[in-house]
Amino acid sequence: NAGVTQTPKFRVLKTGQSMTLLCAQDMNHEYMYWYRQDPGMGLRLIHYSVGEGTTAKGEVPDGYNVSRLKKQNFLLGLESAAPSQTSVYFCASSGYPPGQGNYGYTFGSGTRLTVV
Amino acid sequence: EDQVTQSPEALRLQEGESSSLNCSYTVSGLRGLFWYRQDPGKGPEFLFTLYSAGEEKEKERLKATLTKKESFLHITAPKPEDSATYLCAVQVSSNDYKLSFGAGTTVTVRA
Repeated sequence: NAGVTQTPKFRVLKTGQSMTLLCAQDMNHEYMYWYRQDPGMGLRLIHYSVGEGTTAKGEVPDGYNVSRLKKQNFLLGLESAAPSQTSVYFCASSGYPPGQGNYGYTFGSGTRLTVV
Repeated sequence: EDQVTQSPEALRLQEGESSSLNCSYTVSGLRGLFWYRQDPGKGPEFLFTLYSAGEEKEKERLKATLTKKESFLHITAPKPEDSATYLCAVQVSSNDYKLSFGAGTTVTVRA
């Protein structure tokens, strides 16, 4: 089925460890996003990409890095995990930038990350 | 600072009992307002985009409306399958890729 696939679905890290979250979409979308969702708070944008080879900072980029070497993949890296990065991470993609037509983002099912 | 506030935080309804969810925003200039549905353990699913005051969009038992300061999501004669968390988000500028999301309203519909 077409959509956005995130791996892994769950992960527990120790403080200071590093990891990479993978997002893959098969809809040929130009725009891809990484969000984090914490209890009682809205989704917050970490980084985004407007096309292959491009990345940009969002609202809460500190402690994260991203890469988009291929159009279909958007990777989120944590170089040195901290307990404050415990969250659910969502990747999303869209064929248009926000605010065009009646189009929204397609979200993946999320990665639940716990940093101990 | 741009803010999006959703109320109530939680809503429990009997099947068939219509109600409305509120999304109020304080932004410097609204470019678009988005509604999403999120089921437990899943990512949000896009419902509607609204661009100007007075605009309305409908999908099955859901209708979204927009004024200059808030948006409402009306649920008419809800069914148990309408149980979910409903999120709204705003875009401030057409050049801004950041959507500011509210914390959501969790709706539970009892049979």
